[in-house]
Amino acid sequence: EAQVTQNPRYLITVTGKKLTVTCSQNMNHEYMSWYRQDPGLGLRQIYYSMNVEVTDKGDVPEGYKVSRKEKRNFPLILESPSPNQTSLYFCASSLSLRVQPDTQYFGPGTRLTVL
Amino acid sequence: AQKVTQAQTEISVVEKEDVTLDCVYETRDTTYYLFWYKQPPSGELVFLIRRNSFDEQNEISGRYSWNFQKSTSSFNFTITASQVVDSAVYFCALSDFGNEKLTFGTGTRLTIIP
Repeated sequence: EAQVTQNPRYLITVTGKKLTVTCSQNMNHEYMSWYRQDPGLGLRQIYYSMNVEVTDKGDVPEGYKVSRKEKRNFPLILESPSPNQTSLYFCASSLSLRVQPDTQYFGPGTRLTVL
Repeated sequence: AQKVTQAQTEISVVEKEDVTLDCVYETRDTTYYLFWYKQPPSGELVFLIRRNSFDEQNEISGRYSWNFQKSTSSFNFTITASQVVDSAVYFCALSDFGNEKLTFGTGTRLTIIP
């Protein structure tokens, strides 16, 4: 079954404590990305990756890091989380935004609370 | 810079009515891609469609149709004969050809009243 998995699904942490949210896909997709969703702001892209070792900033990259060492994994790292990073996070993958098949698959979301 | 505007924050219609969700975009690129996504109350995100800027043909998929008009920089989404299962938040998004960055609108919450 084609899927994108994220872990953890829920996380409550404290300011400054480093954390990683994992994202993994089993479709051999080249394109992966991270989004955060906040009330009234919709979805905003944090980082994206077009292939292994290729990452680029989205609209809101500050305070986040990513890595793409393998095609299937695209972890999101918060080195020093702050309360304004409390949000719902989604990971997604697709072959590309450009080519067919163009379907993007999303993970189930990670709800992060930073106290 | 890319920008997507979904001016309708919330829409409510009675079941079986047609409803159109508006999406207006801004970009300096001549080649770009437009997308629609659905987020039902359960929270998952579902990809609906991608359109290329060089293909202005409208698209129909069952009760869903999309009207792409370059002249007005709009990519509107119409649901015909709406059903309760169409209740969701719908997002429009834009990606320029020069990169694969994706910019979303703030979404439209659609409620179908039975």
